[in-house]
Amino acid sequence: DSGVTQTPKHLITATGQRVTLRCSPRSGDLSVYWYQQSLDQGLQFLIQYYNGEERAKGNILERFSAQQFPDLHSELNLSSLELGDSALYFCASSVMGHTYEQYFGPGTRLTVT
Amino acid sequence: GQNIDQPTEMTATEGAIVQINCTYQTSGFNGLFWYQQHAGEAPTFLSYNVLDGLEEKGRFSSFLSRSKGYSYLLLKELQMKDSASYLCAVSFTGGGNKLTFGTGTQLKVEL
Repeated sequence: DSGVTQTPKHLITATGQRVTLRCSPRSGDLSVYWYQQSLDQGLQFLIQYYNGEERAKGNILERFSAQQFPDLHSELNLSSLELGDSALYFCASSVMGHTYEQYFGPGTRLTVT
Repeated sequence: GQNIDQPTEMTATEGAIVQINCTYQTSGFNGLFWYQQHAGEAPTFLSYNVLDGLEEKGRFSSFLSRSKGYSYLLLKELQMKDSASYLCAVSFTGGGNKLTFGTGTQLKVEL
């Protein structure tokens, strides 16, 4: 158990809908990262927050947005969902914004039908 | 680009040693990580290299050559539970601490 929690574990929704994925980092970690893992693309970095501020952005679609709250938990919002958004979404955390190991949560499996 | 290359699949025998290679673009290199991932589960951290040389941690070791843009993960005394995907990931400067992952090497350990 990495200490990073994510909810929900599974999510099934229809195209065009909007969902919110939630992540709580390890105690003491200030930085949160979101990754998408689909079968054909491997792990892709989406976005990073450090102590409430956006720190780095990857190939995150405009339909996706995220934020980190004062209690350091983070939410990833996915809207106008398409079939291709079906994937595992992982959250990871680390102590600082420019440090080393990232610890991954168990992931949210999103299925868009 | 920041391509990271590793073999797609490898097969090894229980009790043996296996080496998984990873090559990456050297420009902007800021550190290299190895993760293990079982199917449908979260990646788990194995090792971190930022300086040249070998880092040993139990049955697992990781090597880095920054000038060659090359790393390997060495797994000794293989066990069946080591069957998993091994992900090479690199941190590049200017990107916060985001990791760029290779597509992973699927290791199968056989009797």
